[in-house]
Amino acid sequence: IAGITQAPTSQILAAGRRMTLRCTQDMRHNAMYWYRQDLGLGLRLIHYSNTAGTTGKGEVPDGYSVSRANTDDFPLTLASAVPSQTSVYFCASSGYTRDRGRFNYGYTFGSGTRLTVV
Amino acid sequence: AQTVTQSQPEMSVQEAETVTLSCTYDTSENNYYLFWYKQPPSRQMILVIRQEAYKQQNATENRFSVNFQKAAKSFSLKISDSQLGDTAMYFCAFISPNDYKLSFGAGTTVTVRA
Repeated sequence: IAGITQAPTSQILAAGRRMTLRCTQDMRHNAMYWYRQDLGLGLRLIHYSNTAGTTGKGEVPDGYSVSRANTDDFPLTLASAVPSQTSVYFCASSGYTRDRGRFNYGYTFGSGTRLTVV
Repeated sequence: AQTVTQSQPEMSVQEAETVTLSCTYDTSENNYYLFWYKQPPSRQMILVIRQEAYKQQNATENRFSVNFQKAAKSFSLKISDSQLGDTAMYFCAFISPNDYKLSFGAGTTVTVRA
């Protein structure tokens, strides 16, 4: 089934440790995104990549870095985790997909990573 | 980023009844897309309905329909004949064809009571 795979599903991390959240898609979408979800704030864009080899900053990029070496993979790295980075992280990609019999431009989301920094 | 506002943090509805979720947004663009996403306890993000701003007709998907008021920048979601499986958090979202970055509202938690 085409989609996005995120790993790990959940993680408890000691403050100050380095962590990389993995994201892989198999839809050949050019654009990929990382969001964090916090109660009362919805989903906020951390970083994005419009195509392989390029990345950009979103709304809340501080403390995070990304790379896009190829079309399929878009890892998110926390260089030195802090408790305020406790959140649920979603990877997404966008492109034309078939939805209910029609081709529409839309987003596909991974199942999320719950990260707790203690 | 565009501003998307959902003013109702929580809503409760009796099974088989109708509930309406509100959403307003702020943009200076004329062409854009609006979405409602459902997030059940499984955490999965599920597209419920989409609306293209150039279409005057309100989108409908089975029991889900929207009331799109472009001049008022309002995009409400109506869930008819509510079912227990509709219990979830619902997010309103906006995307501009200029940058294709999805902006979300804070979400509304809907609880359907048996």
